[in-house]
Amino acid sequence: DAKTTQPPSMDCAEGRAANLPCNHSTISGNEYVYWYRQIHSQGPQYIIHGLKNNETNEMASLIITEDRKSSTLILPHATLRDTAVYYCIVSPDNYGQNFVFGPGTRLSVLP
Amino acid sequence: NAGVTQTPKFQVLKTGQSMTLQCAQDMNHEYMSWYRQDPGMGLRLIHYSVGAGITDQGEVPNGYNVSRSTTEDFPLRLLSAAPSQTSVYFCASSYGDRVVTEAFFGQGTRLTVV
Repeated sequence: DAKTTQPPSMDCAEGRAANLPCNHSTISGNEYVYWYRQIHSQGPQYIIHGLKNNETNEMASLIITEDRKSSTLILPHATLRDTAVYYCIVSPDNYGQNFVFGPGTRLSVLP
Repeated sequence: NAGVTQTPKFQVLKTGQSMTLQCAQDMNHEYMSWYRQDPGMGLRLIHYSVGAGITDQGEVPNGYNVSRSTTEDFPLRLLSAAPSQTSVYFCASSYGDRVVTEAFFGQGTRLTVV
């Protein structure tokens, strides 16, 4: 599985967009980019995933560069409840997801 | 619809004791897995199953056993607990298909081995 690199921490003002970067320069053609988050010590929560195209759902947007070597998760209007550790993961489309979780980015949304 | 349910939520064991962490899902997911999370770190895969009767090892399987007799349940057994197994354990499930789907995680079992 490809490795990912994320900044260890970021701050964002409440109401502003949070842009979380992820580098995955060794990603393979069949590997998807997933984003999960973990609030306090709860179980990780799925946010979004994509292969090549940009994706948007009710929680966030995922922007993947054309060469697929990096991506950005965008929370359009961050709230205090978005304070969490965000994990960027790349994984092939095999059975289920045997994810390799790195340390992630700790996002602090400030009032 | 309860999702993924883990029991117990907290457990303290003495070194050498054995126990089983329970995981059940009611979403008819074929794929289930167990992760452990040590303080300040990401999750590491212990064991996984792609369906009833089928299990395989993940990144850190030593000291743990699993079985999958039903689609709903995927228990994790600690054979002889060691302080190094002090961790938070998460169970996850998802549809077992080549179609990419999201994984659902339980709320975790916090295990302390003294």
